[in-house]
Amino acid sequence: KQEVTQIPAALSVPEGENLVLNCSFTDSAIYNLQWFRQDPGKGLTSLLLIQSSQREQTSGRLNASLDKSSGRSTLYIAASQPGDSATYLCAVWGNFGNEKLTFGTGTRLTIIP
Amino acid sequence: NAGVTQTPKFQVLKTGQSMTLQCAQDMNHEYMSWYRQDPGMGLRLIHYSVGAGITDQGEVPNGYNVSRSTTEDFPLRLLSAAPSQTSVYFCASSYSSDRAGEKLFFGSGTQLSVL
Repeated sequence: KQEVTQIPAALSVPEGENLVLNCSFTDSAIYNLQWFRQDPGKGLTSLLLIQSSQREQTSGRLNASLDKSSGRSTLYIAASQPGDSATYLCAVWGNFGNEKLTFGTGTRLTIIP
Repeated sequence: NAGVTQTPKFQVLKTGQSMTLQCAQDMNHEYMSWYRQDPGMGLRLIHYSVGAGITDQGEVPNGYNVSRSTTEDFPLRLLSAAPSQTSVYFCASSYSSDRAGEKLFFGSGTQLSVL
């Protein structure tokens, strides 16, 4: 059974700093990995999707990497802003008989002005 | 640009009552799904559909029914509400019925309390 872990559960950093959020998964047989953002009381917004054959994806100040063999992904946020404060979740699509999206419990990020 | 629309946003039920959570998307997405989000447990898949007339169970289907009569709508029915079904429910969709490889679009959620 696929398990997705995100550590730490919460993180506070001063505005302007670069930061890294971590995601690990137990089964490397995945189709892809997605990073989502969730604001309080709102739904999830997809930020980046990395296919299993890719190593990284970039969108603006966000860069997500994938190391399938070690079961790890990181989300790098450059020059953090107060508007980046949210909960960030990663999720993996399973492969061959485990074709569903398994979510981590998220990292709650607070950017301190 | 409505995207994925869920109604209601909030609902309080008494144990044993039934109700339907509505989900509609206007993006012509083939794949639709329902998740529940509970503190400390992440999102868990309840049911999903890869097209009109086709539904399947997810990780936690007990106590819930779904149907998909049209491409646009995917309602979730609680047959006899229980306190364990207190949660935030999200509907999500993506374009392809080959669900891997596509970004998921989420609705804003329904907060359900069962007393």
